[in-house]
Amino acid sequence: GAVVSQHPSRVICKSGTSVKIECRSLDFQATTMFWYRQFPKQSLMLMATSNEGSKATYEQGVEKDKFLINHASLTLSTLTVTSAHPEDSSFYICSARGEIGNTIYFGEGSWLTVV
Amino acid sequence: GENVEQHPSTLSVQEGDSAVIKCTYSDSASNYFPWYKQELGKGPQLIIDIRSNVGEKKDQRIAVTLNKTAKHFSLHITETQPEDSAVYFCAATLGGNQFYFGTGTSLTVIP
Repeated sequence: GAVVSQHPSRVICKSGTSVKIECRSLDFQATTMFWYRQFPKQSLMLMATSNEGSKATYEQGVEKDKFLINHASLTLSTLTVTSAHPEDSSFYICSARGEIGNTIYFGEGSWLTVV
Repeated sequence: GENVEQHPSTLSVQEGDSAVIKCTYSDSASNYFPWYKQELGKGPQLIIDIRSNVGEKKDQRIAVTLNKTAKHFSLHITETQPEDSAVYFCAATLGGNQFYFGTGTSLTVIP
């Protein structure tokens, strides 16, 4: 199946700094990518939908100025957590919609720890 | 919007037995229903999916059934193995622009 790569897999940053997470579709072009946040033992919470070349669509309650999403190419979307706080610590997962049908493929996720 | 409910939240089975996870959805227009397996600390992996024009789909030990009238779909795993232990999520979507996920089922296969 299609491969979605997410980097870094784990990152620790200091409170107040910013951290960027990359999501790449390795063997297909993804016009649409999704960013999720997942708390322990809970389901995936959609944060935003990212469309190549346009502004991301954020879900209600998600601060767009804090979680900056850029989808500059058909194979890359980035999520930047700005001015990170300990409560931003979480598992962040991206997914990309494949070229055929509605199939979406997930990245391996990124563990963010803000200290 | 769509509302997806998933049951049970936890499931334990003996190795070799079958496991069944059920999901219901509210929007009759939803037309694509994937199932994902998530192992601890990893991203979800697509294991099987079904579209609204099909009632059943099978891939080796895994099968999915869809009842459009009742608006529910189920994941069936036969001859379970310890490596099947994971969290399973169902999802529903119309058009692929937004996926609505169930709350997950933690499956434990006891050797």
